[in-house]
Amino acid sequence: GNSVTQMEGPVTLSEEAFLTINCTYTATGYPSLFWYVQYPGEGLQLLLKATKADDKGSNKGFEATYRKETTSFHLEKGSVQVSDSAVYFCALSGAGSYQLTFGKGTKLSVIP
Amino acid sequence: ETGVTQSPTHLIKTRGQQVTLRCSSQSGHNTVSWYQQALGQGPQFIFQYYREEENGRGNFPPRFSGLQFPNYSSELNVNALELDDSALYLCASSLVATSGNNEQFFGPGTRLTVL
Repeated sequence: GNSVTQMEGPVTLSEEAFLTINCTYTATGYPSLFWYVQYPGEGLQLLLKATKADDKGSNKGFEATYRKETTSFHLEKGSVQVSDSAVYFCALSGAGSYQLTFGKGTKLSVIP
Repeated sequence: ETGVTQSPTHLIKTRGQQVTLRCSSQSGHNTVSWYQQALGQGPQFIFQYYREEENGRGNFPPRFSGLQFPNYSSELNVNALELDDSALYLCASSLVATSGNNEQFFGPGTRLTVL
């Protein structure tokens, strides 16, 4: 079945540091890939997505590239801000599937 | 445009009781999915409803059931509550039920505590 493995947290960074959160997946066919963010006390918000190999999703300074050869979708940001502190979830929607499969989440804390 | 709303925000029940959680989908969306998020974990897919019928189910027992109404709102019912049912229950709505890259919009969730 489908699965998502992402970097265990928590991750603590200083403001303006570079962020990478690793995500790899297992799926048959060509899944769509997503990063969701969950701020404290809130539901999930879609951060970015990519629907085919080599696509790059980007939003609010965050980027992730769909790498089929390495089955990865790592999240990156060049300069994090305190307001980026949240839990980040990597997820996939498998080909022919109607459900999202999530990783366990990575908690990011950015300190001034 | 109204987003996805859920009620109640918090709920406390005792083991063996039954609970009903409610979700109103985003305006124009016809599909609702429910997820269970245990503390410190990622959301787990429970089931999806499209055109008032269940359209897929995750690895959850039959005591988890649901409904979708003509206005596309939805209910999640859980019977015979167990301690492990304590979690954040998330509702997500989307426009189509077909596979692939259908974007799902999540509500704020209902926090269920089972004592």
